[in-house]
Amino acid sequence: GQQLNQSPQSMFIQEGEDVSMNCTSSSIFNTWLWYKQDPGEGPVLLIALYKAGELTSNGRLTAQFGITRKDSFLNISASIPSDVGIYFCAGQFGNQFYFGTGTSLTVIP
Amino acid sequence: DGGITQSPKYLFRKEGQNVTLSCEQNLNHDAMYWYRQDPGQGLRLIYYSQIVNDFQKGDIAEGYSVSREKKESFPLTVTSAQKNPTAFYLCASSLSGGAFYFNEQFFGPGTRLTVL
Repeated sequence: GQQLNQSPQSMFIQEGEDVSMNCTSSSIFNTWLWYKQDPGEGPVLLIALYKAGELTSNGRLTAQFGITRKDSFLNISASIPSDVGIYFCAGQFGNQFYFGTGTSLTVIP
Repeated sequence: DGGITQSPKYLFRKEGQNVTLSCEQNLNHDAMYWYRQDPGQGLRLIYYSQIVNDFQKGDIAEGYSVSREKKESFPLTVTSAQKNPTAFYLCASSLSGGAFYFNEQFFGPGTRLTVL
């Protein structure tokens, strides 16, 4: 199945810095989703986007649904140590979900 | 609380044995999914089911089997035919709809299977 192009693959940042990651696809999607996964746990849904051009925030997280419906980005502002983990994007069309390869985030106190 | 439960959290099995991973959801979702996750890799779809008594193979179905006798339950059996079964297994569910339906997918906590 299709795997989305997610970048960067990993990030090492200082506490307090902002973070940005993005996903691109060759296909259009109805919904873009962003998840966070802690080691040994299942992914937790952070943000869901439903409309091209939509910009949605959840606390320090902001995500946008690209106007072409083929891309999305996630920003994290003022990072804190508990932001550490792997962030996945996902695109939905019908009952199918396609996932990015993940961005591993390390926050240095 | 609505959610997805997977059991057990850790599972050990000897080579040549079949093992069944449990997945239960009380979100009233029609669609359920099984994914495999290997270290440093993304999620790969094993099987999915859009409705009771119906399921479809995903990208890596060989060596796995599923059943969907109840809406709430979607157990995965890892058979001895699976050549490299040690992995982290994730169950997920979503509402079911047509091609233009907006949808979200929710995950269980996962089961880590180790073959000894």
